Amino acid sequence: QTVVTQEPSFSVSPGGTVTLTCGLSSGSVSPSYFPSWYQQAPGQTPRTLIFSTNTRSSGVPDRFSGSILGNKAALTITGAQADDESDYHCMLYMGRGIWVFGGGTKLTVL
Amino acid sequence: EVNLVESGGGLIQPGGSLRLSCVASSFTFRDYEMTWVRQAPGKGLEWLSYIGGSGGPMYYADSLQGRFTISRDNAKNSLFLQMNGLRAEDTAVYYCARRARCVSGTCYSHFDLWGQGTLVTVSS
Repeated sequence: QTVVTQEPSFSVSPGGTVTLTCGLSSGSVSPSYFPSWYQQAPGQTPRTLIFSTNTRSSGVPDRFSGSILGNKAALTITGAQADDESDYHCMLYMGRGIWVFGGGTKLTVL
Repeated sequence: EVNLVESGGGLIQPGGSLRLSCVASSFTFRDYEMTWVRQAPGKGLEWLSYIGGSGGPMYYADSLQGRFTISRDNAKNSLFLQMNGLRAEDTAVYYCARRARCVSGTCYSHFDLWGQGTLVTVSS
């Protein structure tokens, strides 16, 4: 069974930079998995941030960027702001109409 | 406004059945593939099921063990999730989500529109 791994939690100082990662229990994440990232503020619906590894969704500030780092997908927030404090969910496409989410990363800005 | 609105959640006893609905607004529903995603309290997102724009194919997460069935009615701009044999661990907020369309020959595999979710609580 495919397991997508994310850091359970992370903290960043206001104005700082943080990189969250998204890996596979076995194997490497590549662009062929179409990695996407979703931000979910407390009590809110998920919001699409990044898709196809590094494309920002409409209206997403350019302080959010996506990439492949080593064998993982990565979401980097540059110049973190207080309202970036959210859960961040990574999703990978396995093909044939099957997707898998990671467990999510709770980001604290303090 | 482009929108997805889920309904049908509620309190249900273990072993019971429930049918969730998701109504789409302000876009051509039949042109989009659709999915269901859930989130148990305090947990991450879990992809559940996919359906093609014309009603097929359908795919499911292995964890569902054949208990859930996805369907759609394009004439009514509606997506459904029939849930049978419900268990306590099915307690979650259930979201419908739209898969982004191919544009100019480039196809995507992310979800570009989410509903607000409907809460299903399985408890005696």
